[in-house]
Amino acid sequence: SYELNQPPSVPVSPGQRARITCSGDKLREKFVSWYQQRPGQSPVVVIYQDTERPSGIPERFSGSNSGNTATLTISGTQAVDEADYYCQAWDSGSGSYVFGTGTKVTVL
Amino acid sequence: QVQLQESGPGLVKPSETLSLTCTVSGDSMTNYYWTWIRQTPGKGLQWIGYVYSTGATRYNPSLMSRVVISVDTSKNQFSLRLTSIIPADTAVYFCARAWGLEGATVPNVFDNWGQGTLVTVSS
Repeated sequence: SYELNQPPSVPVSPGQRARITCSGDKLREKFVSWYQQRPGQSPVVVIYQDTERPSGIPERFSGSNSGNTATLTISGTQAVDEADYYCQAWDSGSGSYVFGTGTKVTVL
Repeated sequence: QVQLQESGPGLVKPSETLSLTCTVSGDSMTNYYWTWIRQTPGKGLQWIGYVYSTGATRYNPSLMSRVVISVDTSKNQFSLRLTSIIPADTAVYFCARAWGLEGATVPNVFDNWGQGTLVTVSS
């Protein structure tokens, strides 16, 4: 089955840049979405189709996808960005959506 | 702004059938994919399946033999049935809306989610 691997945790200081990676075989050939989940809340999409940002999502969130790795970047990280982040893609080979293992962003 | 709300029992006995309903408000159900996703501490987020507004469905192959998702657009609701429940089905179940690019064969983003409902499988 297809897997998307993320680092378990990414620490970041306020105002600094956080980069969250998502690795999967030939991931560049798939559209990747990213979701933010704060404790006790449901996920919220922050990036879709690799680089698109939904209305209402701050400009400090950006995405890229190249080779086998997609990256979510938070520029000028704020305390409110502390959350779990999940990548997601459709895998036509298995006929299923796959979510990444999740990354906890901690704002120090 | 569309809103989704899950409803159903919080406790289900092993071998029984889990039935959940998601009520949609604030937007039409037409031309969207209505999805069920669950979350466990051990396995993370798992897509269960979706139903298009026309009634067409697609399921996770690992759950396909036990899942039925249906839609009733007249009631603005869609439902999940999961049969032969086992303890590993204990999870928070989310309903969500999905959509994709025009011409795409599958949706590629889940853009609105319900708050989730905890379902515990125990005798």
